[in-house]
Amino acid sequence: QVTLKESGPVLVKPTETLTLTCTVSGFSLSNARMGVSWIRQPPGKALEWLAHIFSNDEKSYSTSLKSRLTISKDTSKSQVVLTMTNMDPVDTATYYCARINWGSRAFDIWGQGTMVTVSS
Amino acid sequence: DIQMTQSPSTLSASVGDRVTITCRASQSISSWLAWYQQKPGKAPKLLIYKASSLESGVPSRFSGSGSGTEFTLTISSLQPDDFATYYCQQYNSYSLTFGGGTKVEIK
Repeated sequence: QVTLKESGPVLVKPTETLTLTCTVSGFSLSNARMGVSWIRQPPGKALEWLAHIFSNDEKSYSTSLKSRLTISKDTSKSQVVLTMTNMDPVDTATYYCARINWGSRAFDIWGQGTMVTVSS
Repeated sequence: DIQMTQSPSTLSASVGDRVTITCRASQSISSWLAWYQQKPGKAPKLLIYKASSLESGVPSRFSGSGSGTEFTLTISSLQPDDFATYYCQQYNSYSLTFGGGTKVEIK
């Protein structure tokens, strides 16, 4: 069974750096046909893609947030890590990690999401 | 970046209705378009990929069509479980964007 699970802080202060971890099971991060993305959703709003990483360590970032984001992976630990610097209250959202299938260019498996609130 | 515009933003319909949601891309994305269903408090669920391919386990009343810049998601006969928010998503050159969503409400 393929699963992804997000973990990280529930609350961060403005200007702090957020670090989120996605732990995957049921597939390998070295699988050439798969990648992992981070996606967020502010309360009551639409989904917003943030970043993704493929098996060859190739990375891509949202243009609007590129300067604040870093995505990396540890294949041996089956983990993908996202860092976002200089957090602001507008970054309050549910953060999801999801598997992207290269053959379909679609997210076929999602984590349950983790809610992050930015507040002093 | 490619912008995805969904319409309508809200749709009121009854059980048994045929429902169509449209997604327009700001430039051609070939057929790299996916549709998701999201219910409150839950992660999105993949329904359609490559514009018209039905994800395994998704009921056949869901269908997708289109290519280039205009795409549609059709629910042939709306069921009680289908009241949810639907999102389109494009993939182009290692960059992705989602549409703004369409909430399907009970009429």
